[in-house]
Amino acid sequence: QLQLQESGPGLVKPSQTLSLTCTVSGGSILSGSFYWSWIRQPAGKGLEWIGRFYNSGGAHYNPSLNSRVTISLDTSRNQFSLRLSSVTAADTAVYFCAREGGYSNYFEYWGQGNLVTVSS
Amino acid sequence: DIQVTQSPSSLSASVGDRVTITCRASQDISQYLNWYQQKPGKAPKVLIYGASNLPSGVPSRFSGSGSGTDFTLTISSLQPEDFATYYCQQSSSIPVTFGPGTTVDIK
Repeated sequence: QLQLQESGPGLVKPSQTLSLTCTVSGGSILSGSFYWSWIRQPAGKGLEWIGRFYNSGGAHYNPSLNSRVTISLDTSRNQFSLRLSSVTAADTAVYFCAREGGYSNYFEYWGQGNLVTVSS
Repeated sequence: DIQVTQSPSSLSASVGDRVTITCRASQDISQYLNWYQQKPGKAPKVLIYGASNLPSGVPSRFSGSGSGTDFTLTISSLQPEDFATYYCQQSSSIPVTFGPGTTVDIK
């Protein structure tokens, strides 16, 4: 059974870069044709797609965050990462990593979520 | 961006009730529509993919229908563990977008 686990600091200062890692276990990040994705959810609000990296290469980002986001894969560690630069309080949220794929590209596997607070 | 709306935003229902949630996309997304259930403090869980397909392990009381711009999630007989928030999500084009959610609580 595939498992995903986010890790990273829970507190980031304004204007700094948020960095999170998602460790995948129970399967290789290179197996099959899947997207490795990040989604976030501010407290009490809905879900916002941040972006994804295709395991054959290439990334897509939400245009609302495009210039600030980088998603990358570390195949040697079976991990993928999110970097979000120039953060503000509006970036405070629970960040989820997920595997996206299959017919209709649905999010089948999710991490448990990592709360990141942006505050000085 | 494709906008996704849901109705109602919340509903109160009793165990055993039939519940229907509607999702509408701002343009034709064929059947690239997925449904998720989220409980407090947990990650979402996929209930329906491709508008009407049930993943392995999801109870058969959940069903989905629709294509184009209008979609429906139906719970045929609401169970205590079904009280949660439900989201639809379109995967037809980038950016992937989610509906605002429908909260189902106990009447």
